[in-house]
Amino acid sequence: QVQLVQSGAEVWKPGASMNISCKASGYTFTRYTIHWLRQAPGQRPEWMGWVNTGKGETKYSQKFQGRVTLSRDTSASTAYMHLSSLRSEDTAVYYCARGTAYSLFAFDAWGQGTMVTVSS
Amino acid sequence: QSVLTQPPSASGTPGQRVTISCSGSSSDIGSNTVNWYQQLPGTAPKLLIYSDNQRPSGVPDRFSASKSGTSASLAISGLQSEDEADYYCAAWDDSLNGVVFGGGTKLTVL
Repeated sequence: QVQLVQSGAEVWKPGASMNISCKASGYTFTRYTIHWLRQAPGQRPEWMGWVNTGKGETKYSQKFQGRVTLSRDTSASTAYMHLSSLRSEDTAVYYCARGTAYSLFAFDAWGQGTMVTVSS
Repeated sequence: QSVLTQPPSASGTPGQRVTISCSGSSSDIGSNTVNWYQQLPGTAPKLLIYSDNQRPSGVPDRFSASKSGTSASLAISGLQSEDEADYYCAAWDDSLNGVVFGGGTKLTVL
């Protein structure tokens, strides 16, 4: 079955950078895009960007442009999200999600989420 | 920031039919397809509807959706207790060049 397994919860101080991994299994990794979203407590999900796992091309939300870097390692079927210059407002659950084959921006499989806390 | 507008709450009794609305603009719902997600407490969102009105495999046909102009709606018929969750609409926004989500509707089954 399709699975996306993310790295564990993290706590960071303001100004630091973080990396989250997302390991895919149960399907051909390079045939589907991987998107990254986050959800602050009690808030709506927020889309951050996506990576074309086959070509490595990326597209970022204007809000995160310059602070986020998405990448992937096809040999490990793993996608990565790097977010720099962390601030308290970045405290949220971060998700990776797979774009469907029929609708690029519909997400049919999600990771379990990674809780990130940014606090001094 | 362009966002989609949903009612914060909705409710119904078991067996009833409930609808949840999602209002957008010409740059999002008006020109792109709408997707709906169900989020149970403490879990990741689950895709419920894609491309305005299509159900992924495994989603019961009690869930249906439609779109007209810059608005969309999700309908749940034969309401069950396990349907109690947060529901989000989402669409690509051409002006923001990104995916935007509604604020979510908390569905309570009375």
